[in-house]
Amino acid sequence: QSALTQPRSVSGSPGQSVTISCTGTSSDVGGYNYVSWYQLHPGKAPKVMIYDVSERPSGVPDRFSGSKSDNTASLTISGLQAEDEADYCCCSFAGSRWVFGGGTKLTVL
Amino acid sequence: EVQLLESGGGLVQPGGSLRLSCAASGFTFSSYAVHWVRQAPGKGLEWVSSIGGSGISTYYADSVKGRFTISRDNSKNTLYLQMNSLRAEDTAVYYCAKRAGIATAGRYFDYWGQGTLVTVSS
Repeated sequence: QSALTQPRSVSGSPGQSVTISCTGTSSDVGGYNYVSWYQLHPGKAPKVMIYDVSERPSGVPDRFSGSKSDNTASLTISGLQAEDEADYCCCSFAGSRWVFGGGTKLTVL
Repeated sequence: EVQLLESGGGLVQPGGSLRLSCAASGFTFSSYAVHWVRQAPGKGLEWVSSIGGSGISTYYADSVKGRFTISRDNSKNTLYLQMNSLRAEDTAVYYCAKRAGIATAGRYFDYWGQGTLVTVSS
């Protein structure tokens, strides 16, 4: 059960856009449209930012968007704000189990 | 308001056991699958185990299969994780998480607890 592959870190200046990739296999990301993304802050509960590849829960800014192509999902954050600085982790349903990515640290310069 | 509150973490020696609990409120507990997810220091999240609403269906990551047992008491709105034969690599913050939907809908986690730290060390 290998973890999904994410870049360790990405960065961008306020107002810019960044994209975080999440690569899996045909058994997880490529096999289901059930990719979700979570924002992690130390000491706080993870927060879902995107579900079902591209759906946004109520209350999540529309600056956050998701997509998928074959075995790779992506999270794009446009119009970066300082408050977006956090770790982001992707997740995919994979049959009777779930698999997460290793997490990406987003730094807002 | 949905709330999930984990407890039971602590320091345990390798080979030891620990039982985690997660008290749920604010939703019909028996209607939803709930999961345990952990985060080792400096690492990403790792799915550990899940249990269906009735408690009949259970699933485990290969890394914990045969050592951990997930269960629930719907009369007490509480989820459990019995952890045996603990190893250093089980050191992590353990979160309980509620699945958002049922059947083929809501295959993501909409509510999480704050986590409880398990440290396996001699």
